[in-house]
Parts: sequence; structure tokens; C-alpha cells
Amino acid sequence: QQQVKQSPQSLIVQKGGISIINCAYENTAFDYFPWYQQFPGKGPALLIAIRPDVSEKKEGRFTISFNKSAKQFSLHIMDSQPGDSATYFCAASFLNQAGTALIFGKGTTLSVSS
Amino acid sequence: GAVVSQHPSRVICKSGTSVKIECRSLDFQATTMFWYRQFPKQSLMLMATSNEGSKATYEQGVEKDKFLINHASLTLSTLTVTSAHPEDSSFYICSARSGHLEAFFGQGTRLTVV
Repeated sequence: QQQVKQSPQSLIVQKGGISIINCAYENTAFDYFPWYQQFPGKGPALLIAIRPDVSEKKEGRFTISFNKSAKQFSLHIMDSQPGDSATYFCAASFLNQAGTALIFGKGTTLSVSS
Repeated sequence: GAVVSQHPSRVICKSGTSVKIECRSLDFQATTMFWYRQFPKQSLMLMATSNEGSKATYEQGVEKDKFLINHASLTLSTLTVTSAHPEDSSFYICSARSGHLEAFFGQGTRLTVV
């Protein structure tokens, strides 16, 4: 029930294309769903996050789509650029419970070809 | 976002010695800090959760006597890998939360035990 399942494991997209990464969760008590971007040798950086009372959130080229009934959420990267090549992790958490950790998906390695 | 500083970014130590990694929240008070371990091309694995002034809670399978965690103040947590062995070589990442707010990550520490 604590798992977050992420797919695909790897993704190759042409420059200018749309990258889509999907995640699914089981625990309906999760109330916070962030996406992190990680470059080799660096810690993960928060990219964008959503709460379950919203179905979509957009920040620049990055959009989260959230489907509460299906218990799924996805990251869309529009106009993908080579600089977007990184590993992306979805996560889930209980923001309303202080002191609880993020539960991460297994990650998606994105390669954007120029 | 808030800044979490982790030091050192890289460390090489001899087998059998101990190494300490520091995690500092620079512009907020971290009521909870988390320590993760990440193997190459894998996700972040939660090792332990520590609340300021109390003992850390370790995840199943993590040896508390080997990975000593101290969270003595609201801005500093340390992870000490005791009697390090080559199999302890990994990327260690800390994260900090303030109450019900989101978590922020450090830059990570690459530990190599030779």
C-alpha cells in the first residue's frame, strides 16, 4: 500500500517532443505528489508538485496531471530539450503528517536527443 | 525553495574507519531530517528518520549501530558510517522538513570505501 509504481523505466524523446512519465499509487491517504529531477552525482531537486484536490498543475513546460479515481498521476514535459535529460522520480507523501518521509518511485531515465 | 546543505560532497575512506556526513538546513528549522541511500541507477532508499532531540527511527534492514544518526539541533543532522566497508560505498542523501511543509534535499555525498 505504500508503493508508488513508476513507468517507463527509460524514455528517449526527440528534441521538441513531449515526454510523459506515469505513476500509480495505492494508499488514498497520500496528500502530496511531487516530481523530482536528478542529474548524475547530484541530489534530487523538486520540479513540480500537486495536491489531490487539483486535477492539473502547470509550471512552464512541466505539467502534472492527476487522476484521483484512478490513483494515477503523470508528468508531461512539453518541448523537451537536451538539458532535460535526467532521471525523474515521482513520489508520494502525507504532507498533513509532520515528520513523514517521501515514498519514491523507481525512477525514469529520460534522454532527449538533439 | 529552502536550502539544505550537505557536506562533504565526496569522501574516500579506508576500510574500517568511520566517516561523518553533515546535513544542514540553512534558512529554516528542520523538525525532521531523513537520510537516504541511493545505489547507481536506482531509486532513493529511506534509511532513517530523525526528529530534533530524539533518537532516529531506522527502516527495516538498516543497522543502527553502523549508521549513527544525530539530530542535535533544528538545523543540523549527522550520519556517521562506522567501521566502513566497501559495500557501504554509495550515494547518501539527506532531506529536511519543517513541520507540515514539503521536504528539501541536500546535494548528496558520494562515499567510496577502499
